Amino acid sequence: RKEVEQDPGPFNVPEGATVAFNCTYSNSASQSFFWYRQDCRKEPKLLMSVYSSGNEDGRFTAQLNRASQYISLLIRDSKLSDSATYLCVVSRRGTYKYIFGTGTRLKVLA
Amino acid sequence: DTEVTQTPKHLVMGMTNKKSLKCEQHMGHRAMYWYKQKAKKPPELMFVYSYEKLSINESVPSRFSPECPNSSLLNLHLHALQPEDSALYLCASSQVAELGQETQYFGPGTRLLVL
Repeated sequence: RKEVEQDPGPFNVPEGATVAFNCTYSNSASQSFFWYRQDCRKEPKLLMSVYSSGNEDGRFTAQLNRASQYISLLIRDSKLSDSATYLCVVSRRGTYKYIFGTGTRLKVLA
Repeated sequence: DTEVTQTPKHLVMGMTNKKSLKCEQHMGHRAMYWYKQKAKKPPELMFVYSYEKLSINESVPSRFSPECPNSSLLNLHLHALQPEDSALYLCASSQVAELGQETQYFGPGTRLLVL
């Protein structure tokens, strides 16, 4: 079993839809959680950090459930420009290792 | 400024060539990383430098040789690569104040093709 798992998708949704992605992690010592977005042939860019019970940034909401060991990303009012791969990243305190999930592809359709 | 720069953007090399990839950041970050990313896969960690010292080598073949000349620069020297080494090579940096809790910032990558 991979340490960080994501549904690879693709998720095809119409503009304006709400879409949610989940990411599960297996190591209970995991400390910090991030969502990155990666456009085709580009580098990953930080979308949100998730440090405690979750946080919101505009149309994006990230939640953390430590008991069940998963984080989620909710995108409201999807835009065409949201089409990308969303990478879940998990790290452990005191290490330099950031573990990437396989990524979830999102396509927002006009 | 949260910018990490990488040169070159693209590189084509033969299996007998020697080349180097360069990465630079001016954010005062003291941890720098090399990742390799194949198509439709997530980035895979190769090396981590902390305070200019090699902290992690993820069992990378010796044909890849990292170097950290100073706190702002990170190089990856390539020699006798194989076609399967063709990939996007990403550099990243982060603070080290709270290990594992700091945000990583990625450069645009070098797209490498080995013929």
